Amino acid sequence: KQEVTQIPAALSVPEGENLVLNCSFTDSAIYNLQWFRQDPGKGLTSLLLIQSSQREQTSGRLNASLDKSSGRSTLYIAASQPGDSATYLCAVRGDDKIIFGKGTRLHILP
Amino acid sequence: KAGVTQTPRYLIKTRGQQVTLSCSPISGHRSVSWYQQTPGQGLQFLFEYFSETQRNKGNFPGRFSGRQFSNSRSEMNVSTLELGDSALYLCASSLAADPPNTEAFFGQGTRLTVV
Repeated sequence: KQEVTQIPAALSVPEGENLVLNCSFTDSAIYNLQWFRQDPGKGLTSLLLIQSSQREQTSGRLNASLDKSSGRSTLYIAASQPGDSATYLCAVRGDDKIIFGKGTRLHILP
Repeated sequence: KAGVTQTPRYLIKTRGQQVTLSCSPISGHRSVSWYQQTPGQGLQFLFEYFSETQRNKGNFPGRFSGRQFSNSRSEMNVSTLELGDSALYLCASSLAADPPNTEAFFGQGTRLTVV
């Protein structure tokens, strides 16, 4: 049974710092891994999608990596800004469904 | 292009009632899936539809049901509401379900409160 874990559960960093969010999963038989952002009370915004055959994807200040064999992914945020404050969710797609981690609540201190 | 649209955005219902939530996927997307999000359990998969057929179902009681129409719009229904059904219900659409490797896009959700 696939399990997705995100560490840490919460993180506060000063504005301008680079940071890394971690995601691990137990079953490497995935089609893809997707990182989402969720603001309080809102839906999910897709940030990056990495297919199982890919190693990383980049979009602006965001870079996500995937190591399928070790069951790990990281989301790197460069030069953090207060507007980056949100919950970041990692999700893996298997045969039958998407499994989500519980998320990392990120707070960027101005 | 328009994103995933969920209606209504907010809903308050009484225990024992039933409720229907609607999801309109991105134009051209044929796969729609539903999730329940609560503070304690996080995001949990309810079901997935592709071309009007339920493809997968999560571990929820039979009170939770859904369907998909020929235009890919989907509805989910919860009967005999319980207090524990209070949650944010999210719908996601993607281009295809076979293979299921396309990007999922989520709507803003329907906030259901059962009193």
